Amino acid sequence: GAVVSQHPSWVICKSGTSVKIECRSLDFQATTMFWYRQFPKQSLMLMATSNEGSKATYEQGVEKDKFLINHASLTLSTLTVTSAHPEDSSFYICSARVGGNTDTQYFGPGTRLTVL
Amino acid sequence: QKEVEQNSGPLSVPEGAIASLNCTYSDRGSQSFFWYRQYSGKSPELIMSIYSNGDKEDGRFTAQLNKASQYVSLLIRDSQPSDSATYLCAVWSSASKIIFGSGTRLSIRP
Repeated sequence: GAVVSQHPSWVICKSGTSVKIECRSLDFQATTMFWYRQFPKQSLMLMATSNEGSKATYEQGVEKDKFLINHASLTLSTLTVTSAHPEDSSFYICSARVGGNTDTQYFGPGTRLTVL
Repeated sequence: QKEVEQNSGPLSVPEGAIASLNCTYSDRGSQSFFWYRQYSGKSPELIMSIYSNGDKEDGRFTAQLNKASQYVSLLIRDSQPSDSATYLCAVWSSASKIIFGSGTRLSIRP
């Protein structure tokens, strides 16, 4: 299957700082990428849909000014958690849609964010 | 009603037996259906995709789709301890995004 990478795999930061997470499709071009958040023992929660060259579409209840998404190229989308607080500590996972005749999504390995 | 519903489990199955995981969905316009496996602390991994009514087999895994009943299932034959994980049913909705179920925890007991 297609390969999606994320960087960093884990990050610890102080409250009030900003953290950027990168999501890359390594062997295919992804016009659409998705950002999810998952708290322990809970299911995936879609945060936003990231389309190359246009503004991201955020799910209801997700603050667009706090979770900045940029999809500047067909292989890279970034999520910036601004002014992070301890309640933002979570597992952030991106996925990329392969496109074409399939709607298959492949997930990155995830980024574990801990805000102190 | 949730858009994609799964029994949360845990579902306990003896090693070597068949594990049967079920999922129902509400959007009749959905055309693409997926099963993902997620180990604790890891991201989901795609196991199967299915687009047409009927069965689709891949190794020990068989996905079954019944669009009339809005029902998707995953069978795992010859269950192994390494199959112990959370299995996520996912449906590509008419709103152009994947909707995930809450997942079924599967435990294979030796």
